[in-house]
Amino acid sequence: GEDVEQSLFLSVREGDSSVINCTYTDSSSTYLYWYKQEPGAGLQLLTYIFSNMDMKQDQRLTVLLNKKDKHLSLRIADTQTGDSAIYFCAESWSNYQLIWGAGTKLIIKP
Amino acid sequence: NAGVTQTPKFRVLKTGQSMTLLCAQDMNHEYMYWYRQDPGMGLRLIHYSVGEGTTAKGEVPDGYNVSRLKKQNFLLGLESAAPSQTSVYFCASKESLAANEQFFGPGTRLTVL
Repeated sequence: GEDVEQSLFLSVREGDSSVINCTYTDSSSTYLYWYKQEPGAGLQLLTYIFSNMDMKQDQRLTVLLNKKDKHLSLRIADTQTGDSAIYFCAESWSNYQLIWGAGTKLIIKP
Repeated sequence: NAGVTQTPKFRVLKTGQSMTLLCAQDMNHEYMYWYRQDPGMGLRLIHYSVGEGTTAKGEVPDGYNVSRLKKQNFLLGLESAAPSQTSVYFCASKESLAANEQFFGPGTRLTVL
C-alpha cells in the first residue's frame, strides 16, 4: 500500500538549520504537506507544495520536492526553541484522505 | 471562532465499556475526520464524513462507529472498548473538496484498562 516514511527524531543546535526529510510512494499525489504538532496539541498545517513545484519558500521555511526520488524535505532556518515539535509529512491520496508519516520529533539543543 | 473542539480531553475506560467522543466545529466545514495517533506511527484514519448525514470507513474502522447527524458535529463511538483502542484520538475538519488544510482539534487521550 501507499506509505510515507520519516525519521523519528532530529536534534539540532539553536540557531542552526533543521532539515526534516520524508519519502513517499504514491507518485500521483497532487499535494504534499507539512504539519506541526506542539506538545499536548493538535496538528497545524505548516506549509504544503503542489506536485508540479520543486521548491516553496515561506519566511524561515523551505520545502524541496524531488519527484523522481519521491523525496520531500522541510528546512527550518535559524531554528529556535519554539520550533520544538513533531513534524508530520503527509501526501494526498484521494480527494478526501491523506497518508501520514509517523512524525519527526525536532529537539533543540541550547 | 472556537475552531474544532473535542470532548472529553481525557478518559479512562474498563474493557467492555462503551463511550462516545464528540467533535464539534463552528467553521461550517463539509468534511470531518476521526484519526487515532499511536507512538511511532502516523495518524491513521478511522472514519470520515463528506457531509451531513454521510459517513465512510477509513483505514482502521473496526471497533468504532460514527454519526454525523448535524453538520457541525461528528461523533465517534466505541461500543465495547478494548485495550488496543488505547490511543490519542484527533478530530479534524476541512472546508470543502478543494480545500488543502485540515483543522485539528486538541485531541482526546483514551486509556482502556
